[in-house]
Amino acid sequence: AQSVTQLDSQVPVFEEAPVELRCNYSSSVSVYLFWYVQYPNQGLQLLLKYLSGSTLVKGINGFEAEFNKSQTSFHLRKPSVHISDTAEYFCAVEGTSYGKLTFGQGTILTVHP
Amino acid sequence: DSGVTQTPKHLITATGQRVTLRCSPRSGDLSVYWYQQSLDQGLQFLIQYYNGEERAKGNILERFSAQQFPDLHSELNLSSLELGDSALYFCASSASGTSGGEQYFGPGTRLTVT
Repeated sequence: AQSVTQLDSQVPVFEEAPVELRCNYSSSVSVYLFWYVQYPNQGLQLLLKYLSGSTLVKGINGFEAEFNKSQTSFHLRKPSVHISDTAEYFCAVEGTSYGKLTFGQGTILTVHP
Repeated sequence: DSGVTQTPKHLITATGQRVTLRCSPRSGDLSVYWYQQSLDQGLQFLIQYYNGEERAKGNILERFSAQQFPDLHSELNLSSLELGDSALYFCASSASGTSGGEQYFGPGTRLTVT
């Protein structure tokens, strides 16, 4: 079984500042890792994913994440945030069960002007 | 717009009742997933279908059932509803049922049980 812990439930930040949203996972098998974003009153949208290869993954909207196997982490970063990045962000893992995503509790990112 | 449609958008019903949520996947996607999002449980995987067959099961209650039809749309049936079933129910689809594929999420159906 897999589990995901998002270490911050809320992250407030000012516009144009950098941000890091933290995610740790637990699994006894190899996993695939994902970050999804949920804007208010919308479904989830994939930001980026790590399947294999380079541990630094670039996604949409200027986000990137780094897979660290030894620390079982997959933190999401953006060097300069915009007001439009205000949303809830979910880290997810997928193990051996086809397509079954296990989500973290989510981190609400609020970008202030 | 992900291409996944869900109906209805909102549903208000009473305890003990039965409802059906409908999902149409993106054109060409064979796999459909159902998730429940609630304040206390977060986002939880319920069930996955691939080309009409059940592929994986999560923490889905016995009062809940789902199916995927030959035209690939899916329905989630919730019966003997309880207050705790109030949640946002998402459907997602992907091209295949294999690991690592992107899942495209619909806008969700908000169920309120009174």
